[in-house]
Amino acid sequence: AQSVTQLDSHVSVSEGTPVLLRCNYSSSYSPSLFWYVQHPNKGLQLLLKYTSAATLVKGINGFEAEFKKSETSFHLTKPSAHMSDAAEYFCVVSDPSGGSYIPTFGRGTSLIVHP
Amino acid sequence: DTGVSQNPRHKITKRGQNVTFRCDPISEHNRLYWYRQTLGQGPEFLTYFQNEAQLEKSRLLSDRFSAERPKGSFSTLEIQRTEQGDSAMYLCASSLTGEQYFGPGTRLTVT
Repeated sequence: AQSVTQLDSHVSVSEGTPVLLRCNYSSSYSPSLFWYVQHPNKGLQLLLKYTSAATLVKGINGFEAEFKKSETSFHLTKPSAHMSDAAEYFCVVSDPSGGSYIPTFGRGTSLIVHP
Repeated sequence: DTGVSQNPRHKITKRGQNVTFRCDPISEHNRLYWYRQTLGQGPEFLTYFQNEAQLEKSRLLSDRFSAERPKGSFSTLEIQRTEQGDSAMYLCASSLTGEQYFGPGTRLTVT
């Protein structure tokens, strides 16, 4: 069984300050992990993915995430927030080794960026 | 690669009417997913195809919902006898190697 927990429903930062969005996962084997971003009234866009290669993954728009197996975490970070980063962010786990290709979505973290 | 497209983008219908949505995935992607998303929530899995075969269907999906992918390319999602609770954004995604690529969604409003 797989599950994902996004630890914060809302994160508020000032423009130019670092961003940290937290995600913990549970998976039986070796999962693939993803972060997606969704701007209002838009579809989801893939930010980055981890698929058992390098544990530090770089994505688009300056975002990166680190896979920590010992902590079962996959937190999303960005050194300096921009106003355009304000959106909903979803952490997703997928573990096809159990025979299913159905990913599990977290409930989302709303990132608010203040000028 | 033109991405995943969905039509229509918006649909307003009266309660009790049937509606059908279409999804065109990225051409070489063999997996296609349908999700429903309501305001402030994450995507909720509805059903999944590998090529033309419907492999999984959410237990939450009532028998008023049906989906097809007849030739393993585009897919349709039909909702019969719509109810106000069906009002939501319906998202389609396609996949080849694990990550999913999402369409812009179809927003359904049932009045």
